[in-house]
Amino acid sequence: QVQLQESGPGLVKPSEALSLTCTVSGGSVNDYFWGWIRQPPGKGLELIGNIYYDGSSTNYNPSLKARVTISADTSKKQYSLKLSSVTAADTAIYYCARVRTTATFFDAFDMWGPGTMVTVSS
Amino acid sequence: DIVMTQSPDSLAVSLGERASINCKSSQSVLYSSNNKNYLAWYQQKPGQPPKLLISWASSRESGVPDRFSASGSGTDFTLSISSLQAEDVAVYYCQHYFDTPQSFGQGTKLEI
Repeated sequence: QVQLQESGPGLVKPSEALSLTCTVSGGSVNDYFWGWIRQPPGKGLELIGNIYYDGSSTNYNPSLKARVTISADTSKKQYSLKLSSVTAADTAIYYCARVRTTATFFDAFDMWGPGTMVTVSS
Repeated sequence: DIVMTQSPDSLAVSLGERASINCKSSQSVLYSSNNKNYLAWYQQKPGQPPKLLISWASSRESGVPDRFSASGSGTDFTLSISSLQAEDVAVYYCQHYFDTPQSFGQGTKLEI
């Protein structure tokens, strides 16, 4: 069974970059889109963006596009998120998730990692 | 951008009773070429990631109890729980995946 696990620093200083990794295990990554979604404490869900398994296609939320980079390392079955110039407003639980149908991101997220909490504070 | 608005923000229902949550999109999420509504429903329990319950507006995922059902088309959608169980206490989100950026509703907190 496919499992996703987010990892990275739990504390980031304001103005610095947030970097997280999603590692996929127990199944193939091929042909799927993989997404990053975040959830500020006590608030709703926001899609950050997604990436095709081989990195050949990325889609970013316009509200974050200027600061976001999502990349892929298929040999390690890892997807990385980098968010630059963070502020307290970027404090959130960050989830990685899989788009259910292959070769499209126009579908729901059927598998999610447990999430990792990132706090932006000096 | 399509904005998803859920109602109510919170809901208290007695055990065994019916619960209904509404979701409205600012634009239609019905794709005319395949007659599919690009809308999903998720359940999120405290400390857990969201769990996909319903896709294509009304298609229940494998393993989801049949007390969960959903309906709607175009811009107006409803998630219903026919007989509320204690384990259904959660926050429920709708999400459109019709175009980019995909977005979620603000969530509806369901309590007993």
